[in-house]
Amino acid sequence: DAKTTQPTSMDCAEGRAANLPCNHSTISGNEYVYWYRQIHSQGPQYIIHGLKNNETNEMASLIITEDRKSSTLILPHATLRDTAVYYCIVTPLTGTASKLTFGTGTRLQVTL
Amino acid sequence: DTEVTQTPKHLVMGMTNKKSLKCEQHMGHRAMYWYKQKAKKPPELMFVYSYEKLSINESVPSRFSPECPNSSLLNLHLHALQPEDSALYLCASSRDRGHYEQYFGPGTRLTVT
Repeated sequence: DAKTTQPTSMDCAEGRAANLPCNHSTISGNEYVYWYRQIHSQGPQYIIHGLKNNETNEMASLIITEDRKSSTLILPHATLRDTAVYYCIVTPLTGTASKLTFGTGTRLQVTL
Repeated sequence: DTEVTQTPKHLVMGMTNKKSLKCEQHMGHRAMYWYKQKAKKPPELMFVYSYEKLSINESVPSRFSPECPNSSLLNLHLHALQPEDSALYLCASSRDRGHYEQYFGPGTRLTVT
């Protein structure tokens, strides 16, 4: 599976958009980008995933560059409840194992 | 119901004890997982069950023994653990083994004394 690189930490003011980058320069054509987050003392939570098109759901938007070597998770109006560690994970298109390999993630701190 | 439940929430056990962690889901998912998470580290996969059969064992020591009695339940039996096994143990499920959208429980915080 392709390796991902994320900033260790980021801050965001409440109400502003949080843009979390992820580099996955070795991604191959049959690999998806998944995003999870883990709020303190809770289990990880699935946010969104994409292959090459931009995706949006009720939680966030995912922007994937045309060359697919990087992506950005956007939380459009961050709240204090969005403070968490955000994990960007690259997975095969069709998995036989559903093996999620978490990296170190980005710790997002949303402040007043 | 998109909930994965885990019991107990906290567990303290001695190195000679035998205990079990329990995980339950009622989403009809056919793949279930155990992860281990040490403090300030990301979760690490331990086991994968698919259709109640062990599919992946990530070279986990035999003092951890998983069991999947039916499609809704997943247990992790613990015996002769070491203090370094103290961690948050997370259970997750997905529609089947080929799906990466996994639903996680809140975890069991285990302390081995």
